[in-house]
Amino acid sequence: DVVLTQTPSILSATIGQSVSISCRSSQSLLDSDGNTYLYWFLQRPGQSPQRLIYLVSNLGSGVPNRFSGSGSGTDFTLKISGVEAEDLGVYYCMQATHAPFTFGSGTKLEIK
Amino acid sequence: EVQLVESGGGLVQPGRSLKLSCAASGFTFSNYYMAWVRQAPKKGLEWVATISTSGSRTYYPDSVKGRFTISRDNAKSSLYLQMNSLKSEDTATYYCARHGWEYWGQGVMVTVSS
Repeated sequence: DVVLTQTPSILSATIGQSVSISCRSSQSLLDSDGNTYLYWFLQRPGQSPQRLIYLVSNLGSGVPNRFSGSGSGTDFTLKISGVEAEDLGVYYCMQATHAPFTFGSGTKLEIK
Repeated sequence: EVQLVESGGGLVQPGRSLKLSCAASGFTFSNYYMAWVRQAPKKGLEWVATISTSGSRTYYPDSVKGRFTISRDNAKSSLYLQMNSLKSEDTATYYCARHGWEYWGQGVMVTVSS
């Protein structure tokens, strides 16, 4: 199974600060169809996961443009350019290139 | 507006069965692969099952293969998860999700305990 290693596990940020979360895969997520099925989600306390980024770098509908995704192959990054209070929660990366689909262990964003 | 509404959760004894349902609306259900994802209390997310548009293909991780069955009724825009031989480690909130992962239900809690 593909293992996604997310770092850091906990992130403490002030409002307005820019932060990054890393997601490293145990194998390449480039699919034979040319797509890389790497997603980023935010799960706010008590809520369902919300998709932020799809296919590595595409911003989800209605997602603020302070969120951005980058990377290729096995190394991926989610960046938040100017954290806002509503961004607190747990961030997960997920791969859907290889079955079984797998998630990273999560990064908890705390607001100082 | 896309909506996914799960139901059927509850408390069940180890070794027993439970069937979850997910009612979909706001999109052409038969056009999309669908999935179940679960989250144990205070834990991360785990993909549980996926089903193709027609229902002819299903996919599971080893942790539930042979015990869980995903199915769908396109005429009713409904997704199901039949869970047999339940174990304590199956205790979790179960989410219904549309592939593409943009839409998720609110989740339904399943507790396996004697």
